[in-house]
Amino acid sequence: QLQESGPGLLRPSETLSRTCTVSGGSLTTSTYYWAWIRQPPGRGLEWIGTIHYRGTTTFYNPSLESRASMSTSASRNQFSLKLKSVTAEDTAVYYCARQTKKWEVPKYFDLWSQGSLVTISS
Amino acid sequence: IKLTQSPGTLSLSPGEGGSLSCRASEPLSSPDIAWYQQRPGQPPRLLIYAASNRATGIPDRFSGYGSGTDFTLTISGLEPEDFAIYYCQQYGRLVGTFGPGTRVDIK
Repeated sequence: QLQESGPGLLRPSETLSRTCTVSGGSLTTSTYYWAWIRQPPGRGLEWIGTIHYRGTTTFYNPSLESRASMSTSASRNQFSLKLKSVTAEDTAVYYCARQTKKWEVPKYFDLWSQGSLVTISS
Repeated sequence: IKLTQSPGTLSLSPGEGGSLSCRASEPLSSPDIAWYQQRPGQPPRLLIYAASNRATGIPDRFSGYGSGTDFTLTISGLEPEDFAIYYCQQYGRLVGTFGPGTRVDIK
């Protein structure tokens, strides 16, 4: 299972921080990558980024790459997202997910967290 | 790669079947398309991967096919729990993208 945590309300210009805890399994598997995806209220899905458990390989959505960073903690079985300089347009449900891979190329998402709404408002 | 899904809304009665389309702006050299179901208030759930492979635990009333730029999800014998939004996702490029979704609602 995946469970995200972090503040649900931020002010514009602050940094969004989310942490995803992997339970019932290990973060340090070479079979999967780990990813963040978001969904603005009433809208579709947007992939944010993907990370290998070693933290040495990351992929980001070009539209968010300048503001997003991801990291991992093998000891805590967690991975995290930071998104700088948020605006109201970053208001969304944020999901963490497990992403399959083949020949080190990210593929589809086979396990999702329940998701949490993060609101950006002054 | 941009994905277009049609129709935007599909109205069906329980027991009926229907087809959902996902079209890619460029051909995918491999069938790197997945389909997800999202019920209200729930996270997406993987239904189909590699265009035609059902994920674990997905009933066989869901099937997928396609290649190149055109992919289809077919649902036969709709159950009440199937009324939801369905998204396709391409992962043929490092930047994976989702389609805008098709809502399947009760006629």
